[in-house]
Amino acid sequence: GQNIDQPTEMTATEGAIVQINCTYQTSGFNGLFWYQQHAGEAPTFLSYNVLDGLEEKGRFSSFLSRSKGYSYLLLKELQMKDSASYLCAVSGNTDKLIFGTGTRLQVFP
Amino acid sequence: GAVVSQHPSWVICKSGTSVKIECRSLDFQATTMFWYRQFPKQSLMLMATSNEGSKATYEQGVEKDKFLINHASLTLSTLTVTSAHPEDSSFYICSARSGRAYNEQFFGPGTRLTVL
Repeated sequence: GQNIDQPTEMTATEGAIVQINCTYQTSGFNGLFWYQQHAGEAPTFLSYNVLDGLEEKGRFSSFLSRSKGYSYLLLKELQMKDSASYLCAVSGNTDKLIFGTGTRLQVFP
Repeated sequence: GAVVSQHPSWVICKSGTSVKIECRSLDFQATTMFWYRQFPKQSLMLMATSNEGSKATYEQGVEKDKFLINHASLTLSTLTVTSAHPEDSSFYICSARSGRAYNEQFFGPGTRLTVL
């Protein structure tokens, strides 16, 4: 079967660093996406990894290990506006994206 | 670039009526669009894949006669919820593939459906 696991909820303090993990088991692999979704809004694209390693984009970085079926999203210098759900999604053998349950991150002052 | 719009952004209807939701890719052509449903505090659940000029492919457990999908052009897909019931109340989100090298999907702003 296909499965993507993420922690359900996380909390962190403004200015801190938080790492959101994602493990996956899918039929085929054509890349892993991270999306940010604020309540009542559509997801917005954060990052894409298809090769092993770290992709850095400003305060956000995403890491992928294909052999371990593992990715993480790293958020630095947290801001209050970073409070949102973070969705891990994998592109498998088809053009569909398989989404994880999402991680709700709350940033406190 | 790669903007996707949805209309309406929210709708309230009576039980038994039908509701149509439009999804448009504004600045690119999308041969494939996807329809998702999201219940509160849950992740996106794919309902169907909509291909221009052909029948939609529905995920297991999604009734194709209840959720009618039409992809008449490269920039428009519609989802019609027929004979809506309160349990159909949800956040419906569409997305479109941009046709780039990887399967990035651009999401519409979503439509919140409330069935009374």
